Amino acid sequence: AQTVTQSQPEMSVQEAETVTLSCTYDTSESDYYLFWYKQPPSRQMILVIRQEAYKQQNATENRFSVNFQKAAKSFSLKISDSQLGDAAMYFCAYGSGGGADGLTFGKGTHLIIQP
Amino acid sequence: DAGVTQSPTHLIKTRGQQVTLRCSPKSGHDTVSWYQQALGQGPQFIFQYYEEEERQRGNFPDRFSGHQFPNYSSELNVNALLLGDSALYLCASSFGTGSYEQYFGPGTRLTVT
Repeated sequence: AQTVTQSQPEMSVQEAETVTLSCTYDTSESDYYLFWYKQPPSRQMILVIRQEAYKQQNATENRFSVNFQKAAKSFSLKISDSQLGDAAMYFCAYGSGGGADGLTFGKGTHLIIQP
Repeated sequence: DAGVTQSPTHLIKTRGQQVTLRCSPKSGHDTVSWYQQALGQGPQFIFQYYEEEERQRGNFPDRFSGHQFPNYSSELNVNALLLGDSALYLCASSFGTGSYEQYFGPGTRLTVT
């Protein structure tokens, strides 16, 4: 079974600084996707960024970028120029099986933004 | 463009009762997945529906059942509620059978007393 591990229960960063959230995963599949979701206090999970395993290039979405190390099974999220609105729980998720197996989530990292 | 909607927002039930949660997928989506998120945990996959049939199921007992209607909306039913069923239940929708990208609703908070 696939597992996703987020080793940082909580991270804190000053506004406008850069923070990196860590994620590792375990799988024997070769075709899979990785995601970072944000869950603010409103509870709604919002997709931040996605990475296809077959792509070597790291995904980037504005201030959000990933460092995907396939051999190491590592998938970290870097948030640049942190803003107060970035404060939330961040979940790393893994998907395979053509989407039918659902996503496997880590336990999450609580990101605090210090003004 | 309406996103994923869920009802009700909150629900309080007594141990042993049955509950039904509802989900309408994002416009244009035909696949619905359900997740259970216990307090302080990440979501766990319950099952997925496509073409009114359950495609795949996570590690949940038969007390958890579902249904998908011709308009793609879905229901999650939980029978014989246990205290441990207290959680946030999230519905996610996607398009087709090969899409990994799921859009989530705001969830239903179920409390079992």
